[in-house]
Amino acid sequence: AQSVTQPDIHITVSEGASLELRCNYSYGATPYLFWYVQSPGQGLQLLLKYFSGDTLVQGIKGFEAEFKRSQSSFNLRKPSVHWSDAAEYFCAVGGIMEYGNKLVFGAGTILRVKS
Amino acid sequence: DTEVTQTPKHLVMGMTNKKSLKCEQHMGHRAMYWYKQKAKKPPELMFVYSYEKLSINESVPSRFSPECPNSSLLNLHLHALQPEDSALYLCASSQELAVRELFFGEGSRLTVL
Repeated sequence: AQSVTQPDIHITVSEGASLELRCNYSYGATPYLFWYVQSPGQGLQLLLKYFSGDTLVQGIKGFEAEFKRSQSSFNLRKPSVHWSDAAEYFCAVGGIMEYGNKLVFGAGTILRVKS
Repeated sequence: DTEVTQTPKHLVMGMTNKKSLKCEQHMGHRAMYWYKQKAKKPPELMFVYSYEKLSINESVPSRFSPECPNSSLLNLHLHALQPEDSALYLCASSQELAVRELFFGEGSRLTVL
C-alpha cells in the first residue's frame, strides 16, 4: 500500500548530539516532501520542503533534509540538538494524483532531549 | 508567528450545544482546510475549500458543518457532538488546491462533555 513511514515512534537524544529522523514513502513518482514540527498543544510549523532540484534542503532552526530517490527517503537531520527541539515531527508528502493532491502524513516521531 | 489565526484556542461544550470554530488568513490563499488531530496521532483531513467552494469532504459526520464566507475566512459549525469528537482542530491554508505547502494555525482544543 502507498504510504508514508516514520519507523521511529520515539527518539531520545542528548542535548548537543546529532539527530536523524527517518522518513520513507512508497509512491511511484517523486512527491512533494515536507517536514513539520509540532510542540505540545500547538499547530504544525513547516521546517523544510522539497519539490525538485538540489536534494539537500536547508530549513529553519538549523534543520536539513536529504532526498534520496533510490531509497525513497527524506530523512531529517540536525548536527546539534537543543532542548527546545523536543517536539513531535511529522513527515508528509503531497502532489500525489491518486490522493487528489492531499497532504499525507506519517505517524510522527516524538523527540525527547535529555540534558 | 503563524499567519493563520484560529479562535477560540480552547472550547468546552456539552453534547447539546451549538458552537463554531473560526479560522482567518490574510495571505491571499485560495485553499483552506480543516484537520482533526487526536493525541499522539497525525492530523486527519476533514474538509477542503477551494475558491470558497467545498472541494473535499472526507466523509465527516453531519454534526460538523463547514462554511467559507469569503476567501479569508473558514468556519466549522459544531452541533450535537460526541465526547469522542474531543480533539485539536487545525485550520490550514495553501496558495492553491494542489498541495505545495500548507500553513497551519495553532489549533482549537475542543472538549466535549
